[in-house]
Amino acid sequence: AAGVIQSPRHLIKEKRETATLKCYPIPRHDTVYWYQQGPGQDPQFLISFYEKMQSDKGSIPDRFSAQQFSDYHSELNMSSLELGDSALYFCASSLALYRGENTEAFFGQGTRLTVV
Amino acid sequence: SQQGEEDPQALSIQEGENATMNCSYKTSINNLQWYRQNSGRGLVHLILIRSNEREKHSGRLRVTLDTSKKSSSLLITASRAADTASYFCATVRSGAGNNRKLIWGLGTSLAVNP
Repeated sequence: AAGVIQSPRHLIKEKRETATLKCYPIPRHDTVYWYQQGPGQDPQFLISFYEKMQSDKGSIPDRFSAQQFSDYHSELNMSSLELGDSALYFCASSLALYRGENTEAFFGQGTRLTVV
Repeated sequence: SQQGEEDPQALSIQEGENATMNCSYKTSINNLQWYRQNSGRGLVHLILIRSNEREKHSGRLRVTLDTSKKSSSLLITASRAADTASYFCATVRSGAGNNRKLIWGLGTSLAVNP
């Protein structure tokens, strides 16, 4: 079965550079979530989109932005990278939670971003 | 803020033993999900239990949910070395409209020794 695809899997950037992470949700899923997981920490919710509109916002820095496109894939743009941005970034997709149906969220393998 | 809290935070057992991990949450939920994460790898969805369910099985996994105590437990029976991973619970926070998100716990690090 198709899963959530994230690219790239690994990314190394220098401080103050920009990075773009991509997420391709499971077909038919209309909701995308982004999470950041620092070393040894639990995932922190960044932002979510439903039907291409931002539906919820967590602890996402102002230097980060994200959007969901017409084909439902999403991109997380990170600018002015800092050393502390080094983390595993997960994307998840699900059907809209409010529908009360099959509300499992499935995660991609993550993008490991290293800022040097 | 994180609402789910796993207990214990670290667990070490011998192969063949059962492992029980607990999770507590604070608000009303639609469902609760358990995930597994191997070191430095992605999150794998294990099982979802809905708020109107009390127990659910999937292979060697057994999940219970007690909404009156706002807690859930994940039992892995006949553990194997390959079960070594971190296990997280996540809850869907209820709310109006689409303004919902998964709330994560801190995770239980399980080590199964051969």
